[in-house]
Amino acid sequence: EAQVTQNPRYLITVTGKKLTVTCSQNMNHEYMSWYRQDPGLGLRQIYYSMNVEVTDKGDVPEGYKVSRKEKRNFPLILESPSPNQTSLYFCASSLRGLLTNEKLFFGSGTQLSVL
Amino acid sequence: AQSVTQPDIHITVSEGASLELRCNYSYGATPYLFWYVQSPGQGLQLLLKYFSGDTLVQGIKGFEAEFKRSQSSFNLRKPSVHWSDAAEYFCAVGPTGGGNKLTFGTGTQLKVEL
Repeated sequence: EAQVTQNPRYLITVTGKKLTVTCSQNMNHEYMSWYRQDPGLGLRQIYYSMNVEVTDKGDVPEGYKVSRKEKRNFPLILESPSPNQTSLYFCASSLRGLLTNEKLFFGSGTQLSVL
Repeated sequence: AQSVTQPDIHITVSEGASLELRCNYSYGATPYLFWYVQSPGQGLQLLLKYFSGDTLVQGIKGFEAEFKRSQSSFNLRKPSVHWSDAAEYFCAVGPTGGGNKLTFGTGTQLKVEL
């Protein structure tokens, strides 16, 4: 089944403790992206990747890192989480990016709480 | 800058009643427009999309949307709402950010009364 898989679904951590949220897709998609969802703000893009070893900042990249060593994986790294990073995070992918009229496939989300 | 406005934060309708969710956008060229639905604890699922051509777009689950360029709108409609339609709905426009993202609205939470 074609899907975007995020792990974990729920995560509670403390300020400053490094964490990684994993994202994997099995559709051989070139484009992958991370969004965060906050009440009243909709979804905002954190980082995106157009292909392996190609990543770039979105609208709210501060405090986050990503890597794209393999096509299928696009982990989101919080080196030193802070409470303002408490949010619902979504990974998304599409075959060749949004200029090609393709839809985004979304993962089920990761609810992160930073205490 | 591109933007999407969903003016209704919450909407409540009775089961069987018709539904219209509003979406207005700001975009410098012909936009690609999307409606996504998010059920509780789930990711976003694409309901329908508009790229070009017929301005009335049919989607899944009985939803449709109409692109009105003169009004910069892309409202979502359903003739008869089912209790299972209760969810949050997001309108999105793209590609934005140099072709690398969608810009989402803030969402409309739909409640269905039985």
